[in-house]
Amino acid sequence: AQKVTQAQTEISVVEKEDVTLDCVYETRDTTYYLFWYKQPPSGELVFLIRRNSFDEQNEISGRYSWNFQKSTSSFNFTITASQVVDSAVYFCALSVGNNDMRFGAGTRLTVKP
Amino acid sequence: DAGVTQSPTHLIKTRGQQVTLRCSPKSGHDTVSWYQQALGQGPQFIFQYYEEEERQRGNFPDRFSGHQFPNYSSELNVNALLLGDSALYLCASTLGQGLLQQYFGPGTRLTVT
Repeated sequence: AQKVTQAQTEISVVEKEDVTLDCVYETRDTTYYLFWYKQPPSGELVFLIRRNSFDEQNEISGRYSWNFQKSTSSFNFTITASQVVDSAVYFCALSVGNNDMRFGAGTRLTVKP
Repeated sequence: DAGVTQSPTHLIKTRGQQVTLRCSPKSGHDTVSWYQQALGQGPQFIFQYYEEEERQRGNFPDRFSGHQFPNYSSELNVNALLLGDSALYLCASTLGQGLLQQYFGPGTRLTVT
């Protein structure tokens, strides 16, 4: 069975602080995809990144970076120099065989000015 | 370029009633998926429609059914509503089958009383 765990329910930081959101996944399949989505108060999920199980390279996109480690089944997300506009709920998700997508429970990030 | 649109925005129904939610995919997309997001939880995959047929289904009872029209828009129907059906229902679209490149709509908030 596939499972995604986001142990951090809520995180609060002050603007310009760095923050890391944790994601741990479970699957017995060797081919899978991992995702991060952002859900602002408006409700729609905004795609941030997709990684396949064969690509463990870390990625940086502006203030965002992702650390994928198969050895620990983790796909963590770091926001550098956080801004108030980063406040949202962030979801990690797992897709196996492109047939189903399992989301974690989400981490609510609040960035205070 | 029109994104994914959903209607209505909010809906209040009584237990036992039936409800229909609507989704128009992003321009150029032909596949629609539906998700249920209960309060404080991550989205759960309900099903996906492609070429007017249900192609994949998550762990949801038969009370949840759908339809896709020739213009690729879709409806989600829920019969015999339960209090536990109260949730945000998200629609996502993509080009071709699969879940790897989804664009999400803002959702319909359903409250069952």
